[in-house]
Order: sequence, then structure tokens, then C-alpha cells
Amino acid sequence: GAVVSQHPSRVICKSGTSVKIECRSLDFQATTMFWYRQFPKQSLMLMATSNEGSKATYEQGVEKDKFLINHASLTLSTLTVTSAHPEDSSFYICSARDQGSRVSNYGYTFGSGTRLTVV
Amino acid sequence: GNSVTQMEGPVTLSEEAFLTINCTYTATGYPSLFWYVQYPGEGLQLLLKATKADDKGSNKGFEATYRKETTSFHLEKGSVQVSDSAVYFCALSDQAGNQFYFGTGTSLTVIP
Repeated sequence: GAVVSQHPSRVICKSGTSVKIECRSLDFQATTMFWYRQFPKQSLMLMATSNEGSKATYEQGVEKDKFLINHASLTLSTLTVTSAHPEDSSFYICSARDQGSRVSNYGYTFGSGTRLTVV
Repeated sequence: GNSVTQMEGPVTLSEEAFLTINCTYTATGYPSLFWYVQYPGEGLQLLLKATKADDKGSNKGFEATYRKETTSFHLEKGSVQVSDSAVYFCALSDQAGNQFYFGTGTSLTVIP
């Protein structure tokens, strides 16, 4: 089945530094990938939709300059948290849609997530 | 708009007990409905899904039926195991399949 690899699984960084999270579709092409953020004991909130070869679409309230998204190829999207602060500490999850699957199957696959801790 | 309302937890059950986690939704058109499971320290895994009214999704002993008349998709399992301890998310995908809407998640702990 479709597999999405997300790396790193855990990262600790100092306040003010930047962190890059990668999301790769391993055995399928994904023109669209999604980035979610999960606060402790809360649901996943969609941050942005990443489109291959074009600018990402951000949800209301998400800072574009802080959460930089690059989708340079059909199998890779990256999320960079710039100038990270402790309040950015969270669980970030990406998902990708297998373009080869039928729409009715809604072939979305989620990565295993990245636990970011900013100290 | 689209939204999912999910039973709040946490839920604690003894092994072999019956599980129900309630989920209702609001949506325009004909959404697809999903249950995802998140084990400690891991990402989301699709547990089951239903794409049209009266469909029953099932997997690993869990099942849920897409009830359009009550706009519900309750998750059930007849006999839970310790290994079922996780957070369960109800979700819907809009008709075009372009976006997911998640419930707040229900934490389940099964004790021996």
C-alpha cells in the first residue's frame, strides 16, 4: 500500500533556530500534500495544503513566513519552522493523497509525525 | 460547513468490555467517513472507512456504520484488548476528497 515517510520523528531545537521536516511519498506520486498540527489532547488542525510546483495554501491564522512549505517534487514536501519558539512545540503530521487511487477511495496516507520541542 | 463532533474522553475499560465511541457529523453533500487510530508516539493509521450511507466499515474487530438519517458514525468493538489502548479520531472527507475534518479524538485505555 501507499507509504508516507516523515522525518525526523523527534527533534529538539533551541529557541530562535529553524527546523525542517520532510514528508516523502515512497511508492506513489502526490501533487498535493497536507500539513497538520496537533496540540496535546486536541485534534489535528490543518495548517496548509502543499501543491507541487506552486505556492502552498495556508489556513486562516497560520503564519506563512513562520511555517515555510516547499513542494519541489511529486514525492517530497518540506515544512520549515523558522525562528522557532517554545509555543511552536507540537506534533506535526503530513499526509499525501495517492493520485493513482480512485477519488471514491480517498487514498490519503498519513506520515508517522514529528514531535518538535523548542527549548 | 463541515464538522465532526466526537465523544469526549478519556475512556477506561476493562479487557473484553464492549466499546462505543460516538461520532456525529455535519456536512454538505455526500462525505466519506473515517476512523483513525493513533497509538502512543505514532502517527495516524486508518482504522476503517465508509464512503456512502448504510455502508459498514470494519477492521480488527472494530466496526462503524454510516447513518445518514442520524448523521452518525459510531465506532464499536465487542471485546476490547489492552493493545487497543490508543487515541481514536473520527473524520470526514468532503465530497471532492480535498480536505479532512477531524474530531477532537477520544483516548481509550484498556486495563487488564
